[in-house]
Amino acid sequence: GAGVSQSPSNKVTEKGKDVELRCDPISGHTALYWYRQSLGQGLEFLIYFQGNSAPDKSGLPSDRFSAERTGGSVSTLTIQRTQQEDSAVYLCASSKQASMGTDTQYFGPGTRLTVL
Amino acid sequence: DQQVKQNSPSLSVQEGRISILNCDYTNSMFDYFLWYKKYPAEGPTFLISISSIKDKNEDGRFTVFLNKSAKHLSLHIVPSQPGDSAVYFCAASGGCTSYGKLTFGQGTILTVHP
Repeated sequence: GAGVSQSPSNKVTEKGKDVELRCDPISGHTALYWYRQSLGQGLEFLIYFQGNSAPDKSGLPSDRFSAERTGGSVSTLTIQRTQQEDSAVYLCASSKQASMGTDTQYFGPGTRLTVL
Repeated sequence: DQQVKQNSPSLSVQEGRISILNCDYTNSMFDYFLWYKKYPAEGPTFLISISSIKDKNEDGRFTVFLNKSAKHLSLHIVPSQPGDSAVYFCAASGGCTSYGKLTFGQGTILTVHP
């Protein structure tokens, strides 16, 4: 079956512009996560969605970052007024459910964002 | 505050020998630990995991050891193969509010020489 897909694979933008990154999780997976990996760093948790529950936004670095998940499937991560420090690889992952914390998270290939 | 640390940025090993990747954590609430492998331009792929109620888990050439008292885990790959060359990330989750949210280490670049 299809894995997690993300688009675009690469995005170059100018400082101050808004960007939208998209994630299509594995069909049937109710939990969806966003992480980012800055250069030379590990993956950093941003936000997670579980079914119809309120998302856990505790990892979002600023109010310029927001995410939504429509219909319990596709998710969009939006960064407003991008800054150079936002440059990173943004990774999406999905799992069957998050309640037990042990379901394997399957990652997409990521979106490499470069802010000039 | 780095709760999961991989202190070795890189490791070089000869094909057929053992690779040992190490990881330390500070949060005593972590109760589930994982290793992910990442090739360039791809997302991380799950390799092996271990629950805090165990001290060892084995899957083929891969074994993860957990030392809770030392807050340390390690991944052993035996025998190492050139195709194992990748970045390896240690990750942890746990606590009543974690809901599977993973905290990752910085990664270790493993190079296996033929």
